Amino acid sequence: GAVVSQHPSRVICKSGTSVKIECRSLDFQATTMFWYRQFPKQSLMLMATSNEGSKATYEQGVEKDKFLINHASLTLSTLTVTSAHPEDSSFYICSAWKTTSLQETQYFGPGTRLLVL
Amino acid sequence: DAKTTQPPSMDCAEGRAANLPCNHSTISGNEYVYWYRQIHSQGPQYIIHGLKNNETNEMASLIITEDRKSSTLILPHATLRDTAVYYCIASNFGNEKLTFGTGTRLTIIP
Repeated sequence: GAVVSQHPSRVICKSGTSVKIECRSLDFQATTMFWYRQFPKQSLMLMATSNEGSKATYEQGVEKDKFLINHASLTLSTLTVTSAHPEDSSFYICSAWKTTSLQETQYFGPGTRLLVL
Repeated sequence: DAKTTQPPSMDCAEGRAANLPCNHSTISGNEYVYWYRQIHSQGPQYIIHGLKNNETNEMASLIITEDRKSSTLILPHATLRDTAVYYCIASNFGNEKLTFGTGTRLTIIP
């Protein structure tokens, strides 16, 4: 089946530093990828839609200058958390649609756990 | 995306069939029903999806009512590894975002 990978799987950083998270579609191309955030005991919340070759679309309440998204190729999207603070500590998950002649399915990465000290 | 409603939690004995219900009474004609599950500290795993016909794959079966207002995910022989939060989502194809509700926390009991 389709595989979406994320790197790193977990990261610990100091407050005020920036952290980059990579999301890759390993066996298919994705013009659109999605970034979600999940706090403990809560459901996934969509942060933004990443579009290859154009600007990302952010959900209401998500600061685009704080969460920088770059979708430079059809297999890679990156999320950079700039000037991270403890409240940014969360589980970040990306996803991408895989389209075949038979069906379209959205696959999710394994997630990146960010801890900001 | 149409709103979906699921029970917050369910228990099922190991080896029995787990039947997880989902209501989606406002689903539109071109929205599919997707099921995902999330095991603790992992990304959601795709299970199955359907439009109006019942579907079956190696993981589960999906039964959609004729009026499409509700569906049931069936795990035929539940194992301990099926313990997870199960999400039912109604969405279109075509690079649409998926909106996650609170899901059903399924616990498989030995």
